[in-house]
Amino acid sequence: EVQLVESGGGLVKPGGSLRLSCAASGFTFDSFSMNWVRQAPGKGLEWVSSISSSSSYIYYADSVKGRFTISRDNAKNSLYLQMNSLRAEDTAVYYCARDFRGSTTLLGAFDIWGQGTMVTVSS
Amino acid sequence: AIRMTQSPSSLSASTGDRVTITCRASQGISSYLAWYQQKPGKAPKLLIYAASALQSGVPSRFSGSGSGTDFTLTISCLQSEDFATYYCQQYYSYPPLTFGGGTKVEIK
Repeated sequence: EVQLVESGGGLVKPGGSLRLSCAASGFTFDSFSMNWVRQAPGKGLEWVSSISSSSSYIYYADSVKGRFTISRDNAKNSLYLQMNSLRAEDTAVYYCARDFRGSTTLLGAFDIWGQGTMVTVSS
Repeated sequence: AIRMTQSPSSLSASTGDRVTITCRASQGISSYLAWYQQKPGKAPKLLIYAASALQSGVPSRFSGSGSGTDFTLTISCLQSEDFATYYCQQYYSYPPLTFGGGTKVEIK
């Protein structure tokens, strides 16, 4: 079964750090670009960051640039999001999602999503 | 950044109705558009990509059309399981990848 499972969310104080992980299974992880998408409580979807299959191309939303770092370990079939200098506005469910096209560095739609992990930034 | 605007933001409909949701891009995006369905407490589900291509396993009552700046998602015969929030997303130009604000389909 194709699956993504996020972990690492929790409650953190403003200015703190958190590292999210996403474990992939059921597909050839190193063939696909991967992404993080977040959703603040009661709000819409917001793209956060993307990384190509070999980590050659990395993109960030302006709202997280310089504070968040996306990475992946293809040997471990895992995607990560290191989040530093967290703010209240980073409070959201964070989803990892697979790009729907393999074997390309282009970004596209997201066909496989994890269940999400909640990050709450509050004092 | 390309801005995606959906309308309406919400609608009420009955089972069996035909429902149309619109998504407008602030600049031309060719056919690089996807549609998602999200139910409360769940992850989004890809319905349509490339503006009109049906994702595997998605019922044929869902269809997408459009190119350039104007797109539509149509549900031909609304079923009870279709009550959800729908989002469009462009992947023509990035960063950033951008989503529409969502359209909530509620029971009349």
